[in-house]
Amino acid sequence: AQKITQTQPGMFVQEKEAVTLDCTYDTSDPSYGLFWYKQPSSGEMIFLIYQGSYDQQNATEGRYSLNFQKARKSANLVISASQLGDSAMYFCAMRADSNYKLTFGKGTLLTVNP
Amino acid sequence: DTAVSQTPKYLVTQMGNDKSIKCEQNLGHDTMYWYKQDSKKFLKIMFSYNNKELIINETVPNRFSPKSPDKAHLNLHINSLELGDSAVYFCASSQEFSGSSYEQYFGPGTRLTVT
Repeated sequence: AQKITQTQPGMFVQEKEAVTLDCTYDTSDPSYGLFWYKQPSSGEMIFLIYQGSYDQQNATEGRYSLNFQKARKSANLVISASQLGDSAMYFCAMRADSNYKLTFGKGTLLTVNP
Repeated sequence: DTAVSQTPKYLVTQMGNDKSIKCEQNLGHDTMYWYKQDSKKFLKIMFSYNNKELIINETVPNRFSPKSPDKAHLNLHINSLELGDSAVYFCASSQEFSGSSYEQYFGPGTRLTVT
């Protein structure tokens, strides 16, 4: 069984500062992928970043980076230089390579203050 | 160029009716999905098709029936709609092959309201 835990229902950050959104996961599969998605108030789901369980380096995509700590089973999303447009719901998700099922956490609502 | 599209975007209907939501992807992906997002924003997978074959069928009432006429389309038909079916339904697609990151790309969602 796969489980994703996001313990921060809401986070606030000042514009231009960095913010870390927490995500821990649980799986018995040795090979898996971790994902972050952004859902703005308009409702669409936007893929942000991916980390494979065997990747040696942390994934980065522009201002997004994934702080992957395999032993601790955590996959935190770091957003650098926050912008007002980063205000949205952020979902952590995972899937085992052995199946197609993407399991989501409950999400963190990020608010960027000017 | 819309990658994953869904129609309609909004659907308001009465209890007991039957309705369908259509999904199309032009990404050339071989796997498509239906997700339900409830009022608390929790996303849960319902179905998945790989090359027109059903591969995921979560615990979903059998009033929900997916249909995949080809690998670019996955439709969702719902019979005898109930109040609890009100939610946002997302279609998604991915390309499954060894070594890929198989990220899923989502459609814009269909907000279903049952009155």
